[in-house]
Amino acid sequence: GIQVEQSPPDLILQEGANSTLRCNFSDSVNNLQWFHQNPWGQLINLFYIPSGTKQNGRLSATTVATERYSLLYISSSQTTDSGVYFCAVGSPGTASKLTFGTGTRLQVTL
Amino acid sequence: NAGVTQTPKFQVLKTGQSMTLQCAQDMNHNSMYWYRQDPGMGLRLIYYSASEGTTDKGEVPNGYNVSRLNKREFSLRLESAAPSQTSVYFCASSESFTGGYTFGSGTRLTVV
Repeated sequence: GIQVEQSPPDLILQEGANSTLRCNFSDSVNNLQWFHQNPWGQLINLFYIPSGTKQNGRLSATTVATERYSLLYISSSQTTDSGVYFCAVGSPGTASKLTFGTGTRLQVTL
Repeated sequence: NAGVTQTPKFQVLKTGQSMTLQCAQDMNHNSMYWYRQDPGMGLRLIYYSASEGTTDKGEVPNGYNVSRLNKREFSLRLESAAPSQTSVYFCASSESFTGGYTFGSGTRLTVV
């Protein structure tokens, strides 16, 4: 099946810093989503972005499907950004079987 | 608008007991999913339902059964719980196969 690799696995930032999280995938995709799992375990959908670029406030994401990667940008980080960020992909022919990466754990400190 | 509601939030079972995890969505989504999350790992798909009346196996279906009761509800049943099924279970829904997912708040299950 499709493989999903996220980097870095762990990231510690000071409040106000910017960061880039990367998601590499091994096959063509028709579904790519970024999620934030907060310290209480809730999973929040950040972006549905199988291709192109989207922005939502301090967060933006870019997927270059032809090169099989996606990037999540966090600008001016805040302590509430802490948690785990997951990339999940679905490929044509596998219906909606999203495959998740193992995540990037982000800690934002004061 | 509640989104996706899962019950219960916590459960402790003895080995061999059975239970059903309930999931309901109020967004009129067609597709629903059950995932499990284990420490240090991403989420793994157990079963999914593309539309009312259909269900299919995901990556880790052994030991589980599902029922798509109607468009709103998708339940997950453990017939004979095992310690390996200790996990956090998440239900999700989406409008279609390629739509964005909305997750429930999860059920933390411990099998002793």
